[in-house]
Amino acid sequence: DQQVKQNSPSLSVQEGRISILNCDYTNSMFDYFLWYKKYPAEGPTFLISISSIKDKNEDGRFTVFLNKSAKHLSLHIVPSQPGDSAVYFCAAHPGGKLIFGQGTELSVKP
Amino acid sequence: ETGVTQTPRHLVMGMTNKKSLKCEQHLGHNAMYWYKQSAKKPLELMFVYNFKEQTENNSVPSRFSPECPNSSHLFLHLHTLQPEDSALYLCASSQVGPFGGPYGYTFGSGTRLTVV
Repeated sequence: DQQVKQNSPSLSVQEGRISILNCDYTNSMFDYFLWYKKYPAEGPTFLISISSIKDKNEDGRFTVFLNKSAKHLSLHIVPSQPGDSAVYFCAAHPGGKLIFGQGTELSVKP
Repeated sequence: ETGVTQTPRHLVMGMTNKKSLKCEQHLGHNAMYWYKQSAKKPLELMFVYNFKEQTENNSVPSRFSPECPNSSHLFLHLHTLQPEDSALYLCASSQVGPFGGPYGYTFGSGTRLTVV
């Protein structure tokens, strides 16, 4: 049973516009979430995180929103740049391990 | 060398072969992990080692055998694999404990394994 889900396998956005990547989770006990970014032929790299005591965390062009009642989080990238094209993984962090979603491949077109 | 290094980067093996994947971390972390990434599927946690002790085996078939001789090295021994085992195998390390955090995971670049 998949505990972290990213239902959109791909997303295409025009440069300068907003990219919104979504993630749902099933376990209400999860209290820390992360987004990772992965380029081809490289390992995932940490992007931004959020604790369940917050509903928003911002870092430059990247903002993560958490809706605990809906068990949903989203990553907003504004403005999107071609260099943001990559696969984005949502992850939950229960008990010292990371549980990942399937990933969403973002393509930002010039 | 810094970070998490995985070798080889690419591996093609037959179903009757025995091979090993190697992971080395130079970050002073105390936990290491093997993940599997198949196309269109989540990153799947396979094994967790804390302070060289295996603390999690996520129902991985016995044809995958991990080894952690010290906190800096992690191996994944492979034998009699199936074509469906073809995937990207990622190693990661982190610092577990009061001075670590979930954002502290560092991944290697992975080994692209093809079983023929």
